[in-house]
Amino acid sequence: ETGVTQTPRHLVMGMTNKKSLKCEQHLGHNAMYWYKQSAKKPLELMFVYNFKEQTENNSVPSRFSPECPNSSHLFLHLHTLQPEDSALYLCASSQGIGTDNSPLHFGNGTRLTVT
Amino acid sequence: KQEVTQIPAALSVPEGENLVLNCSFTDSAIYNLQWFRQDPGKGLTSLLLIQSSQREQTSGRLNASLDKSSGRSTLYIAASQPGDSATYLCAVAGANSKLTFGKGITLSVRP
Repeated sequence: ETGVTQTPRHLVMGMTNKKSLKCEQHLGHNAMYWYKQSAKKPLELMFVYNFKEQTENNSVPSRFSPECPNSSHLFLHLHTLQPEDSALYLCASSQGIGTDNSPLHFGNGTRLTVT
Repeated sequence: KQEVTQIPAALSVPEGENLVLNCSFTDSAIYNLQWFRQDPGKGLTSLLLIQSSQREQTSGRLNASLDKSSGRSTLYIAASQPGDSATYLCAVAGANSKLTFGKGITLSVRP
């Protein structure tokens, strides 16, 4: 059973909708991440938070808006998405970032389909 | 810019075979290299993490090696089983701890 829980597991939304993805980690980690996994492409890092502060925004379009209210919760707010945004969105956490060599723990992802 | 390559993209082997999965990266200035497993419709599970100062790590039937100078890592799976069927991803952590992933190798172990 993963220590990182993502909801919902599946989401279908129209291009004019607003929805949110939720991630919660029960591992006591301080860093949380959003990744995008598209078919036949490597995982793409979107955002990194360390101690609730955003430390990385990998040139992600503004239609994706992250929120990290505390070290255990991470949200990804979605609005006016495009069909090419359809993908598996994965949340991950780690003890820290930098050189502490702590492995990432992933959730099972949210499969997003934009129609 | 770091690039991670995993070839071949897919591999099918009979049960019981020992196999090696390859990973190559272009920038040898890494902090660590991680191997992950991903089952269909699931997230990634960390298998092994090799720090830049290490040469290999072992866990059960899995052994991962790292050669930074040549930009290569291998994941060795001993006595493969049908339950090992999954996609195996390699990722390297750079100076800012940012992970760069390969596209993965989809392994099928035939009973």
